[in-house]
Amino acid sequence: HSVLTQPPSVSGAPGQSVTISCTGGNTNIGAGYTVHWYQQVPGAAPRLLIYGNNNRPSGVPDRFSGSKSGTSASLAITGLQADDEGDYYCLSFDSTLSGVFGGGTKLTVL
Amino acid sequence: QLQLQESGPGLVKSSETLSLTCTVSGGSIRSAYYWAWVRQPPGKGLDWIGTIYYSGGAHYKPSLKSRVTMSIDASKNQFYLELTSATAADTAVYYCATYASPHLLEYNWLDPWGPGTLVAVSS
Repeated sequence: HSVLTQPPSVSGAPGQSVTISCTGGNTNIGAGYTVHWYQQVPGAAPRLLIYGNNNRPSGVPDRFSGSKSGTSASLAITGLQADDEGDYYCLSFDSTLSGVFGGGTKLTVL
Repeated sequence: QLQLQESGPGLVKSSETLSLTCTVSGGSIRSAYYWAWVRQPPGKGLDWIGTIYYSGGAHYKPSLKSRVTMSIDASKNQFYLELTSATAADTAVYYCATYASPHLLEYNWLDPWGPGTLVAVSS
């Protein structure tokens, strides 16, 4: 199982909003380490969406936003579009000196 | 902008060593502090394997530590992954990536990534 817990799937209709959670513990997110978010579509490498808890790289629409509180973080997507479909992963760091990923969340746009 | 490309055998026999190379282009391997390997078994999630500093030090996932070695050759702009005693559970797409920010590893993120290479371990 993954160190960081994400819901296996979320869904929403076009135009709606969804939130994906990433829950860790006191040795990773709760220790103050930052959380980053990636989108992955089939057959492609992960694409950086959010870094440093709530920062968007250039080229990422402002429909994507991140937040962090305590031992958890969240990715919010507003104005869902068909090409938002894919798998989403959170990444943080652990006191074992390892990077840790969430198990991934499959987003379906209905 | 840095670009990464993985290369290596697509098929490895069980109990043998899985070896991969990541070639960096578009800049010097010395331009980033940390370089990493991540894998993804078919149909499953991302799995962080480890990271190597441009100076040569490394951190590995604890459960893989006994089997993993990462190394770097700055003169070739390449870094490497070796995973010994491979089993079917090591079958995955392997990605190389970089922590390109000058932030400490604990506050850093992986970007960019290579396209990935599939390695199958046959029994």
